[in-house]
Amino acid sequence: GAVVSQHPSWVICKSGTSVKIECRSLDFQATTMFWYRQFPKQSLMLMATSNEGSKATYEQGVEKDKFLINHASLTLSTLTVTSAHPEDSSFYICSASQGEHYEQYFGPGTRLTVT
Amino acid sequence: AQKVTQAQTEISVVEKEDVTLDCVYETRDTTYYLFWYKQPPSGELVFLIRRNSFDEQNEISGRYSWNFQKSTSSFNFTITASQVVDSAVYFCALSEGGYSTLTFGKGTMLLVSP
Repeated sequence: GAVVSQHPSWVICKSGTSVKIECRSLDFQATTMFWYRQFPKQSLMLMATSNEGSKATYEQGVEKDKFLINHASLTLSTLTVTSAHPEDSSFYICSASQGEHYEQYFGPGTRLTVT
Repeated sequence: AQKVTQAQTEISVVEKEDVTLDCVYETRDTTYYLFWYKQPPSGELVFLIRRNSFDEQNEISGRYSWNFQKSTSSFNFTITASQVVDSAVYFCALSEGGYSTLTFGKGTMLLVSP
């Protein structure tokens, strides 16, 4: 149980375009979802926390207009990187939880390369 | 504020050696959870263990063991008789007050050579 999927697993896009990453909880209802970014040889940095049906809460320094997060259902959250630039190239990982007091289950990650 | 320190950036060992990965944490809460995750080259995080602040018993799972000491705010991870497949980045993480938000350490890259 507690499986989280991400799609796509990797994506290459051109500078200036937008790309959407999906995060799905396959066998449980995820009230809360988290989005992390990981640069090479660095740790996971939390970007934002989203609760189903509410606006996401972004961490300091994360541009909300650039990283659009939608958590419209209990099994799906999306992260859209708008007007992507090469510096947005990174490994994006989502996690899902049944709520604030529950454990996070991680997706396999999405590798984004912006050329 | 919560903080997790993994002072070892990279460790190299030869197969069959034992290796300990250190983790020191800071928190003001009396209720918290500590985690260890493994991240192989594929990138997917693999959950290894979760320990709550009220359970200081050490844990052993096969070749893996964990030593939790509240007195020194440490939660160290030992791999016995390391194998090449153990090569990965290992992250220690902390969750305060029963909430699911995680703070990760910077990770320790373990390289096990044959």
